[in-house]
Amino acid sequence: QVQLQESGPGLVKPSETLSLTCTVSGGSVSSGSYYWSWIRQPPGKGLEWIGYIYYSGSTNYNPSLKSRVTISVDTSKNQFSLKLSSVTAADTAVYYCARAEDTSETIDYWGQGTLVTVSS
Amino acid sequence: QSALTQPASVSGSPGQSITISCTGTSSDVGSYNLVSWYQQHPGKAPKLMLFEVNKRPSGVSNRFSGSKSGNTASLTISGLQAEDEADYYCCSYAGSSTRYVFGTGTKVTVL
Repeated sequence: QVQLQESGPGLVKPSETLSLTCTVSGGSVSSGSYYWSWIRQPPGKGLEWIGYIYYSGSTNYNPSLKSRVTISVDTSKNQFSLKLSSVTAADTAVYYCARAEDTSETIDYWGQGTLVTVSS
Repeated sequence: QSALTQPASVSGSPGQSITISCTGTSSDVGSYNLVSWYQQHPGKAPKLMLFEVNKRPSGVSNRFSGSKSGNTASLTISGLQAEDEADYYCCSYAGSSTRYVFGTGTKVTVL
């Protein structure tokens, strides 16, 4: 059973960079067939796909966030990370890391989520 | 890429059936049989309920079923139970660039 766990600061100042890490257990970020993804949900609102990284290191980002997003992977620690630059209050959200299966394009496993608040 | 359109709320009595629609465009729902549905209880992460329009992951009740016609996908919950009260989101593959687009979400209330 794959498990994902987000970690990182819960408070970020406006204009700074949000950084989160997802630790994967029960599976390997180095294995093929999966996209390791980030998804967010502003309080009381819907879900928004941020982007993913493939085991090969290739990435794909939501066009609306592409200029501010970087997703990277650390295979030695079985982790992948999110960086979102120049944050504003609109980036306040619960951030989820998740796994998507490449053949069915299905996001099948999710972390529990972590709330990141952007405020001075 | 705009969010897929879902009704804000749907309600039903225990034992009844309800259907939630998810309307997209020819660029997402209409082009791919790659629609999934998620159940989200308050304060919890989304849980996969259906994938590839109508396939159930192991452990998901057969009371949950899915279909698609044109640009609209649907989730039907039959034999509604109190535990089904939650928010439900659809999600569609939208091509190699945009990749995934989610629905606006539907709050299901069991009366």
